[in-house]
Amino acid sequence: AQSVTQLGSHVSVSEGALVLLRCNYSSSVPPYLFWYVQYPNQGLQLLLKYTSAATLVKGINGFEAEFKKSETSFHLTKPSAHMSDAAEYFCAVGRTGRRALTFGSGTRLQVQP
Amino acid sequence: EAQVTQNPRYLITVTGKKLTVTCSQNMNHEYMSWYRQDPGLGLRQIYYSMNVEVTDKGDVPEGYKVSRKEKRNFPLILESPSPNQTSLYFCASSLSQGAAEAFFGQGTRLTVV
Repeated sequence: AQSVTQLGSHVSVSEGALVLLRCNYSSSVPPYLFWYVQYPNQGLQLLLKYTSAATLVKGINGFEAEFKKSETSFHLTKPSAHMSDAAEYFCAVGRTGRRALTFGSGTRLQVQP
Repeated sequence: EAQVTQNPRYLITVTGKKLTVTCSQNMNHEYMSWYRQDPGLGLRQIYYSMNVEVTDKGDVPEGYKVSRKEKRNFPLILESPSPNQTSLYFCASSLSQGAAEAFFGQGTRLTVV
């Protein structure tokens, strides 16, 4: 079985501040891990993906995530928040042969001016 | 441009009136899925298809039907919609099941009254 826990359904940061969105997973085999972003009235868009090639994964729009096996975590970070980063972010876990990605419940990021 | 197209984007219907949400992808992907998104629950898989004429239930299949007669199309059918099917629906396609990036449609916001 696999599952994803996103800590914090809402996160608010000031423009220019560090963004940290937390994701912990459980999986019986080495997982594939994803972060997706959903802007208002839009579908989900892939931010980045971990596939065991490197533990630090860089994605689009300045985001990155670090895979930590010992902590079963895959937290998403961005050094400096921009107003345009306001959106909902979903962490997901998958593995070869599994019929679907398992999504976390999402974290809504608010960026204050 | 690679895309997944869903129609309609918004739909209000009455209990018991059959409806179909269409989904089409232009990436020649074999794997397609339907998800529903509800507040606090993330995305949950309704049905998936691994290829033409091959479909199976996801986590929340009750009250839904699907078909896959052509590789590019994967419609979602609600034979007798009920208010608890009011939700935001997403179609997704990918090269494979749990290990590949999923491409999402723009979503269909369904309200059943």
